[in-house]
Amino acid sequence: NAGVTQTPKFRVLKTGQSMTLLCAQDMNHEYMYWYRQDPGMGLRLIHYSVGEGTTAKGEVPDGYNVSRLKKQNFLLGLESAAPSQTSVYFCASSYSGYNEQFFGPGTRLTVL
Amino acid sequence: EDKVVQSPLSLVVHEGDTVTLNCSYEVTNFRSLLWYKQEKKAPTFLFMLTSSGIEKKSGRLSSILDKKELFSILNITATQTGDSAVYLCAVDPMNTGFQKLVFGTGTRLLVSP
Repeated sequence: NAGVTQTPKFRVLKTGQSMTLLCAQDMNHEYMYWYRQDPGMGLRLIHYSVGEGTTAKGEVPDGYNVSRLKKQNFLLGLESAAPSQTSVYFCASSYSGYNEQFFGPGTRLTVL
Repeated sequence: EDKVVQSPLSLVVHEGDTVTLNCSYEVTNFRSLLWYKQEKKAPTFLFMLTSSGIEKKSGRLSSILDKKELFSILNITATQTGDSAVYLCAVDPMNTGFQKLVFGTGTRLLVSP
């Protein structure tokens, strides 16, 4: 099993550009999450999904959109990137709402 | 506001030493506390502590939860260079129907040979 995978690993954008980060898991998990990690801030939840076709806002959702069309995939979109979105983005998944979360390797995004 | 505070921010030890990492929390309710190890990339799960499981052990790592004093410690005995990492503590404040974690900023541990 690959676990949780993320693409791309690195990306540099110019302000105003758009992009989509892809997260895939092969563990048949219902719950999926997108976090961002910034120095001195800890991991913060952007959006999450409790099942295929569902999404909800987390702690810092502004400037991001998500979709969960298939159970194994969770996409994070930036419609108009801003320098404040420079961060490392982690995807995670869990079997249920009460089990431990498994994390992907992260995507390092720089917005110039 | 729910909050998780880890200490120390960083520490350096020699191989073979024992270290104790601290995590204190303030949450409206409490369901569970989790420890993760983050090396260069993905945080990897270590332990989950709940009201029904306040002590966990795996090899040289162990953790306890004090629900009365609102803190947890992570102990690593006979440290090895492979233990060098950032250790993250997270709490589920049980204000939603699922595990919506609040993370601390982590403790950076460096084990020197």
